[in-house]
Amino acid sequence: QQPVQSPQAVILREGEDAVINCSSSKALYSVHWYRQKHGEAPVFLMILLKGGEQKGHEKISASFNEKKQQSSLYLTASQLSYSGTYFCGTKDPEIYGGSQGNLIFGKGTKLSVKP
Amino acid sequence: EAQVTQNPRYLITVTGKKLTVTCSQNMNHEYMSWYRQDPGLGLRQIYYSMNVEVTDKGDVPEGYKVSRKEKRNFPLILESPSPNQTSLYFCASSRRQGLTGELFFGEGSRLTVL
Repeated sequence: QQPVQSPQAVILREGEDAVINCSSSKALYSVHWYRQKHGEAPVFLMILLKGGEQKGHEKISASFNEKKQQSSLYLTASQLSYSGTYFCGTKDPEIYGGSQGNLIFGKGTKLSVKP
Repeated sequence: EAQVTQNPRYLITVTGKKLTVTCSQNMNHEYMSWYRQDPGLGLRQIYYSMNVEVTDKGDVPEGYKVSRKEKRNFPLILESPSPNQTSLYFCASSRRQGLTGELFFGEGSRLTVL
């Protein structure tokens, strides 16, 4: 089942912050975040495993709340290079308890950073 | 250089003409997968493979076939393409079956079926 991302799109000025949310109706084993720039392949940002951990990548960080079955991606002091579509991916816990199996992506959040 | 290579990158074909999109990775990865990307729908998984000779259906497998006879290759076969298979296709691989690490994507193959 596809995770739900919000918002669908966001426009920022350079230096502004943004939050992208990813939620699931099923229990989550892990949440994966990717960024895809226009005309390019998706690129890995980070993985969060259950346990409420937070991770960071440059000025991009994320949290994972297992109980709420959701993850949030935080973009701080956004730069022009942050523009792109952000995808979260989750694994089905019904397949080997989520330890293996396929990665299901949300529909994406399009982020546009303007000068 | 570590990479996932897809071919062809662009293809225009006609309904019913069988085609194969090849995918090869040089990282000795166990896990490989195919996704299709359509506007507003995100990345939808077609098939995935946890290792040689092991394949499973993803969310949208209808009209596609795959095989994993060698670890490095995971071709996507469209036996009788139809216009609704016009899409951007991505092959991806990861080191372990458990997907505890990064998915490496190929550059994509844009397919148009007339």
